[in-house]
Amino acid sequence: EAQVTQNPRYLITVTGKKLTVTCSQNMNHEYMSWYRQDPGLGLRQIYYSMNVEVTDKGDVPEGYKVSRKEKRNFPLILESPSPNQTSLYFCASSLPNEKLFFGSGTQLSVL
Amino acid sequence: GIQVEQSPPDLILQEGANSTLRCNFSDSVNNLQWFHQNPWGQLINLFYIPSGTKQNGRLSATTVATERYSLLYISSSQTTDSGVYFCADTPGNQFYFGTGTSLTVIP
Repeated sequence: EAQVTQNPRYLITVTGKKLTVTCSQNMNHEYMSWYRQDPGLGLRQIYYSMNVEVTDKGDVPEGYKVSRKEKRNFPLILESPSPNQTSLYFCASSLPNEKLFFGSGTQLSVL
Repeated sequence: GIQVEQSPPDLILQEGANSTLRCNFSDSVNNLQWFHQNPWGQLINLFYIPSGTKQNGRLSATTVATERYSLLYISSSQTTDSGVYFCADTPGNQFYFGTGTSLTVIP
């Protein structure tokens, strides 16, 4: 089944403790991206990647890192999480200029 | 980046009613897409519609790229249509989303 898989689904952590949210797609998509969703603000793009080893900042990249070492994987890294990074996170992928497909989301709480 | 305005912000419908959701963009439309976020949080792509009209069952969408807007039509609404509808565009490679229309369909 074609899908975008994010893990974990829920994550509670404490300030400053490094964490990684994984994202994998099995559709051979070149484009992958991360978003955060906050009440009243819609979805805002954090980072995106056009292909392996190519990443670019979105609207809200501060405090996040990404890497694209393989085409199928695009992990999101929070090296020193802070409470203002508590949010619902989505990974997504697509072929160029085609439909964007989302993962199921990761609800992150930073205490 | 571009500004994306969605209207109305909230909508309550009786089951069976029709509705129109609108998305306005501050710049030219390139790769417009419509999404539905269901009450469980899943985001589903409804349409990729940079221009013209497309239909999928009870849903249809029209984008007028030259006038920088898109419309999503929901006919004969059902309770399963409830959720939040987002539009988004990518002027380059970066996605910009509207803040959504929250739809509640009452039985």
